[in-house]
Amino acid sequence: DIQMTQSPSSLSASVGDRVTITCRASQRISTSLNWYQQRPGKAPKLLIYAASGLQSGVPSRFSGSGSGTDFTLTISSLQPEDFATYYCQQSYNTPGSFGPGTKLDVK
Amino acid sequence: EVQLVESGGGLVKPGGSLRLSCVASDFTFNNYNMIWVRQAPGKGLEWVSSISSGSTYIFYADSVKGRFTISRDNAKNSVYLQMNSLRADDTAVYYCAREYAGWRQGPHTWFDPWGQGTLVTVSS
Repeated sequence: DIQMTQSPSSLSASVGDRVTITCRASQRISTSLNWYQQRPGKAPKLLIYAASGLQSGVPSRFSGSGSGTDFTLTISSLQPEDFATYYCQQSYNTPGSFGPGTKLDVK
Repeated sequence: EVQLVESGGGLVKPGGSLRLSCVASDFTFNNYNMIWVRQAPGKGLEWVSSISSGSTYIFYADSVKGRFTISRDNAKNSVYLQMNSLRADDTAVYYCAREYAGWRQGPHTWFDPWGQGTLVTVSS
């Protein structure tokens, strides 16, 4: 199975900050990498598909990049509703494993 | 609105069984693979099982293999997860999600939408 790691595991930031979260796969996965946001008590929500595709309805301050084994999720200017936990997920093969998550909270 | 609604969670004793259901609406259910993902309290997301659109291909996480069975009824727009021999470490919120197949510089899949989740608690 492909193992996914994320860094940092937690991050404190302020409204307006630019934030970057990193995800790494244990083997090359091309661009088969998705990002999800999960707010407390809610279901995960798709933000980015295929490494850099912005899901419909997701604000343009979210962007994704990377290929192979290393990927990043960037939030260009944090908004209050962005404080949440973010997960990467590989879709290169089954099982579609998730990273351990990055919790983004208010500084 | 494309929607998934899970049900069937609850409190069960170790060794017991539970059947989760997930009903889909506003999309052509029999065109999509479906998955179950769980989240233990305070923990991350764990992929549990997937089933192809026609039930031909079924996969399980090693942690549930031999104890859980995924199935679907396309006439009822529903996917199920039969959970037997439940253990305390199966305690989690269980989500169903649609596996969407799309194209971006090649074929890719992602999970969207997700249901609201149903809580399974395994405790004596």
